[in-house]
Amino acid sequence: DAGVTQTPRHEVAEKGQTIILKCEPVSGHNDLFWYRQTKIQGLELLSYFRSKSLMEDGGAFKDRFKAEMLNSSFSTLKIQPTEPKDSAVYLCASSLKLVPQYFGPGTRLLVL
Amino acid sequence: GDSVTQTEGQVALSEEDFLTIHCNYSASGYPTLFWYVQYPGEGPQLLFRASRDKEKGSSRGFEATYDKGTTSFHLRKASVQESDSAVYYCALSDQGQGGSAKLIFGEGTKLTVSS
Repeated sequence: DAGVTQTPRHEVAEKGQTIILKCEPVSGHNDLFWYRQTKIQGLELLSYFRSKSLMEDGGAFKDRFKAEMLNSSFSTLKIQPTEPKDSAVYLCASSLKLVPQYFGPGTRLLVL
Repeated sequence: GDSVTQTEGQVALSEEDFLTIHCNYSASGYPTLFWYVQYPGEGPQLLFRASRDKEKGSSRGFEATYDKGTTSFHLRKASVQESDSAVYYCALSDQGQGGSAKLIFGEGTKLTVSS
């Protein structure tokens, strides 16, 4: 089976731009997670979907971050507008009940 | 809320040294515990997990035992190799209790092994 796919792998944006990151979960998995990873804060949960329903939307990230699950095999994370402090690695993961989360390779975002 | 604490931020060892990375957790329920490893440029990948008290998880020579009494899940390896250099994360999930499937991660421990 294919693992979690994330595109693009690298993104450079100017401050104030809108960027959209994409994720395709492992086929058949019904839980999908978006995380942000930085050296200082470590791994922070941004959003969590179960069967396409939003279960958790990280409080600190609500204003400019919006994750959507358009169908069971595709999710997007929109950051609008971007700020330099958003520079980080964004990780997508998927799982099935009682099956551990599988992570994608991440998208490295740099906001100038 | 639930939390995971890893004592060591960085560990530097020589090949064939013994490794211990300490992990302690705080949870209201009976969580499943995990160790993940992350190599540069990749996402975290599961090493192993344990779901009940005294259960030992193991993979690739790494092992950890779920200890409910001391709320710990310390990672150990008898003889590390240079290829073990990576960041190791301890994590918990209470999905076994019918709760959220989300993972709560520790801060991570960067292991560097020199030859």
